Amino acid sequence: DAKTTQPPSMDCAEGRAANLPCNHSTISGNEYVYWYRQIHSQGPQYIIHGLKNNETNEMASLIITEDRKSSTLILPHATLRDTAVYYCILYSAGGYNKLIFGAGTRLAVHP
Amino acid sequence: GAVVSQHPSRVICKSGTSVKIECRSLDFQATTMFWYRQFPKQSLMLMATSNEGSKATYEQGVEKDKFLINHASLTLSTLTVTSAHPEDSSFYICSVYFSATDTQYFGPGTRLTVL
Repeated sequence: DAKTTQPPSMDCAEGRAANLPCNHSTISGNEYVYWYRQIHSQGPQYIIHGLKNNETNEMASLIITEDRKSSTLILPHATLRDTAVYYCILYSAGGYNKLIFGAGTRLAVHP
Repeated sequence: GAVVSQHPSRVICKSGTSVKIECRSLDFQATTMFWYRQFPKQSLMLMATSNEGSKATYEQGVEKDKFLINHASLTLSTLTVTSAHPEDSSFYICSVYFSATDTQYFGPGTRLTVL
């Protein structure tokens, strides 16, 4: 079973920031928070991951709370092409471990 | 990120036939690949872990004799659905593990329809 909780759906206006929350209250010390997204009928796309520090790349920012029990993925300027299902996944680093996908959040970006 | 391809992207077959799906890592050598299955309106479910040069490790409930996995080279893993039936119709997706970033990268998926 997935160890994360995400809202099933969210809406966002084009050009605005999309803030996708994820709760992971049982996260353990060696688990990273990974975010992927899946656009309809495609394979998942890696977005970003982090352990405890905030992270930013060309796609998004990841904010992890100090107690690591929750995180937020931020798409700073959402476009229609960001419409997808977003998955927050806990992953134990340092080995060839499994990714367990939950239900994710279906983000709809509208004009 | 790593580039992963799958072939074919779509396949339609008759019930009782076997179908082979290829997963290729195009820009690095992958000792570990993963196979997932996704039914309509559901999330991805891990089927098996494919290790180069050794037998695949299957998840509970996945029939190893029905879903044959071969990882004979560091850039290619194949999934063969044997004696396919309509209930095997699904979206099959592979991923490769890139140790340098401790990240899995996914292929575009293969949609299998069994008539």
